[in-house]
Amino acid sequence: AIWMTQSPSLLSASTGDRVTISCRMSQGISSYLAWYQQKPGKAPELLIYAASTLQSGVPSRFSGSGSGTDFTLTISCLQSEDFATYYCQQYYSFPQTFGQGTKVEIK
Amino acid sequence: QVQLVQSGAEVKKPGASVKVSCKASGYTFTGYYMHWVRQAPGQGLEWMGWINPNSGGTNYAQKFQGRVTMTRDTSISTAYMELSRLRSDDTAVYYCARDRLRDTVTTPDYWGQGTLVTVSS
Repeated sequence: AIWMTQSPSLLSASTGDRVTISCRMSQGISSYLAWYQQKPGKAPELLIYAASTLQSGVPSRFSGSGSGTDFTLTISCLQSEDFATYYCQQYYSFPQTFGQGTKVEIK
Repeated sequence: QVQLVQSGAEVKKPGASVKVSCKASGYTFTGYYMHWVRQAPGQGLEWMGWINPNSGGTNYAQKFQGRVTMTRDTSISTAYMELSRLRSDDTAVYYCARDRLRDTVTTPDYWGQGTLVTVSS
């Protein structure tokens, strides 16, 4: 199985900040990476797939980059509705795996 | 619009089985793989496997091999996930989630609302 290291686990930020979340793979996965947002009590929502393609309806302040083993999710200007937990997920190989999650909290 | 509606919360005793349903609407059920993902209280997401609703073919994460069975009923556009020999650490919210692309396995886009399964004596 592919191991994923997502960091940080907790990120304290203010509205308007630019934030970045990292996801590192134990082996290369090309661009088979997705990012999800999850709010308490809700199902995850797909933000980005193929490492950098924005899912329809997702605000353009979200962006993804990277390929191979290192990936980044960036929120360019944090809004109040962005305080949530974010997960990366690889779908390059079986079994699919998720990162441990990054909780973005209000500073 | 795509909707996945899951069955209600369950409370089970250790050693029992649970079967969670996921009724799909708003798209061609047999065209898209269905994933199952679970989340223990306060924990992260754990991918369990998928089913091809067209063929009935399945692929399970090794951790769940021998305990999980994913099936479907195409006549009512419903997928099922049954987990047997339940343990307390199976307490979690179980999600069904439709794959983003037709006829292939990638990553899920639409998710059900989740079903809480509590395992307690």
